[in-house]
Amino acid sequence: EPEVTQTPSHQVTQMGQEVILRCVPISNHLYFYWYRQILGQKVEFLVSFYNNEISEKSEIFDDQFSVERPDGSNFTLKIRSTKLEDSAMYFCASSHDRDGWDTEAFFGQGTRLTVV
Amino acid sequence: DAKTTQPNSMESNEEEPVHLPCNHSTISGTDYIHWYRQLPSQGPEYVIHGLTSNVNNRMASLAIAEDRKSSTLILHRATLRDAAVYYCILRDGRDDKIIFGKGTRLHILP
Repeated sequence: EPEVTQTPSHQVTQMGQEVILRCVPISNHLYFYWYRQILGQKVEFLVSFYNNEISEKSEIFDDQFSVERPDGSNFTLKIRSTKLEDSAMYFCASSHDRDGWDTEAFFGQGTRLTVV
Repeated sequence: DAKTTQPNSMESNEEEPVHLPCNHSTISGTDYIHWYRQLPSQGPEYVIHGLTSNVNNRMASLAIAEDRKSSTLILHRATLRDAAVYYCILRDGRDDKIIFGKGTRLHILP
């Protein structure tokens, strides 16, 4: 069964450092997403991406965040200057169609980011 | 996304059916009802979705009330592996993101 792959599984970084979280979505999918989940809290939407541009972003996705699809397979989330409160699980997801009514999203296993 | 209401937690015995309820009294005519689950230390996983008619797949069944103001996810024979947080989510075509609530934490007793 096809799956969304995320690397690394765990990243530890010092406050103020830049991190890049990587994702390989399912190959024929067109829509890509990042979500995060702070320990013990809800899964929160960060950003959606289609046709090489951001289609929607949440209030959390401020100027320190950026996304990129540098080639035909990878989808990355960059956090420019990490803060302690960025510590969370970050999930990448992809779906084939935008019509959220009648399609499913596939999620990766997540990257646990720890900012120290 | 329209709001859904789920119990915070439920318990069930292994190998018995589980009925997870969800209320969505403000559902609109174009909202689909989606269920996802999140196993411990894993990403969310799609379970099932439907619009008006009851739906079955290899994982579960979805029973939708005639007025669509509530639905029930049915796990026919729960296993320990089904212990997870189950999210009932309404999705419409105006919005491709998924808005997760707190869900129902399902405990399976051996």
